Amino acid sequence: GAGVSQSPSNKVTEKGKDVELRCDPISGHTALYWYRQSLGQGLEFLIYFQGNSAPDKSGLPSDRFSAERTGGSVSTLTIQRTQQEDSAVYLCASRQDRNYGYTFGSGTRLTVV
Amino acid sequence: RKEVEQDPGPFNVPEGATVAFNCTYSNSASQSFFWYRQDCRKEPKLLMSVYSSGNEDGRFTAQLNRASQYISLLIRDSKLSDSATYLCVVNLYGQAGTALIFGKGTTLSVSS
Repeated sequence: GAGVSQSPSNKVTEKGKDVELRCDPISGHTALYWYRQSLGQGLEFLIYFQGNSAPDKSGLPSDRFSAERTGGSVSTLTIQRTQQEDSAVYLCASRQDRNYGYTFGSGTRLTVV
Repeated sequence: RKEVEQDPGPFNVPEGATVAFNCTYSNSASQSFFWYRQDCRKEPKLLMSVYSSGNEDGRFTAQLNRASQYISLLIRDSKLSDSATYLCVVNLYGQAGTALIFGKGTTLSVSS
């Protein structure tokens, strides 16, 4: 597609439920990143996929968070047993290679009630 | 020391003013640099890359000082539409799985 697509755009869930967030990167972009941004805060790196390499999971805040990238394209970020502190905007980005900046999707606004 | 530090502002300036934002980064191995712009409740968007020799894009000028580990963004003839948060971003090369590191941003408000 023309841009990075994320779904859903908004998600309200009850504490303790699992959620799945989807990211469809720009076609041909080998690198895909997940970040989250809490209200009034900066971007917090979560996880990074590069081609077929093992993902860099160093930013995941707990083992309740996991992500997959199937076929080198679409990625899914899963949060199990959601907590209120998980409420944030989850942003996905992709890029062509290390010489370029990211293109972000419009994000998924997650609210845990 | 934080990896990327910016003055959070806010910078409140009138239309037509010139305003400069500064950013410092802690890792001397950082190799590529960017300025992003983020509007309220929107995703960050790439404003410009920052090159060692300095670069200009219209009213925007970016400078890099590797010795001081310092990046700047100059906006001339500010417009109302420039009101946003400006994010300083650095990237390390040579390490597998390295992501861009974002500063917390500097908020600019341009008024008429």
